[in-house]
Amino acid sequence: EMQLVESGGGLEKPGGSLRLSCAASGFTFSNVWMTWVRQAPGKGLEWVGRIKRKIDGGTTDYAAPVKGRFTISRDDSKMTVYLEMNSLKDEDTAVYYCTTGFSAAFEIWGQGTMVTVSS
Amino acid sequence: DIVMTQSPDSLAVSLGERATINCKSSQSILFSSNNKHSLAWFQQKPGQPPKLLIYWASTRESGVPDRFSGSGSGTDFTLTISSLQAEDVAVYHCQQYYSIPFTFGPGTKVDVK
Repeated sequence: EMQLVESGGGLEKPGGSLRLSCAASGFTFSNVWMTWVRQAPGKGLEWVGRIKRKIDGGTTDYAAPVKGRFTISRDDSKMTVYLEMNSLKDEDTAVYYCTTGFSAAFEIWGQGTMVTVSS
Repeated sequence: DIVMTQSPDSLAVSLGERATINCKSSQSILFSSNNKHSLAWFQQKPGQPPKLLIYWASTRESGVPDRFSGSGSGTDFTLTISSLQAEDVAVYHCQQYYSIPFTFGPGTKVDVK
């Protein structure tokens, strides 16, 4: 069964840092691009950023609200993608999902991990 | 950035009746390599992650009931639930994956009348 499991969420103060992890299983992780999407409480879905697979350069792209503060990385040997979040703001409060797919669309989603930024 | 809009914000439909959700992109999302629109539809139930229903605007994801269909061209797209079932109560999101940042519509809440 193809699966993504996020972890690392929690309560952090404004200006603080958190690192989220997303562990994959059931498919060839090194073959896919990985994406983070977030959803603020009661709000819609927001694309956060992505990391390409190594053979495509392993490069990253970010949404404007997080660029320069968030960093996505991957460890194919651990089948894990990470989201390093620095200089956290109140508006970063959200459920963070990792997602991927094989046909350009996002077929597989994790259950999400909640990040709360509050003093 | 490509802006995605959806209408209506919410709708209530009787069981067995048709539900139609509209999605509009602020610019063309036609992928020239396959001449298909880079548009996906997701269903999201409370406390759950989104579930992919439709991609390339009209291709149904494996395992998705055939009462769900997607259509559209240019910048206007539609998700149709041909005969609403109780388990279809959810929020439906459209998303473009044509250009970064991949943007989502604000969502449409579907309830039973």
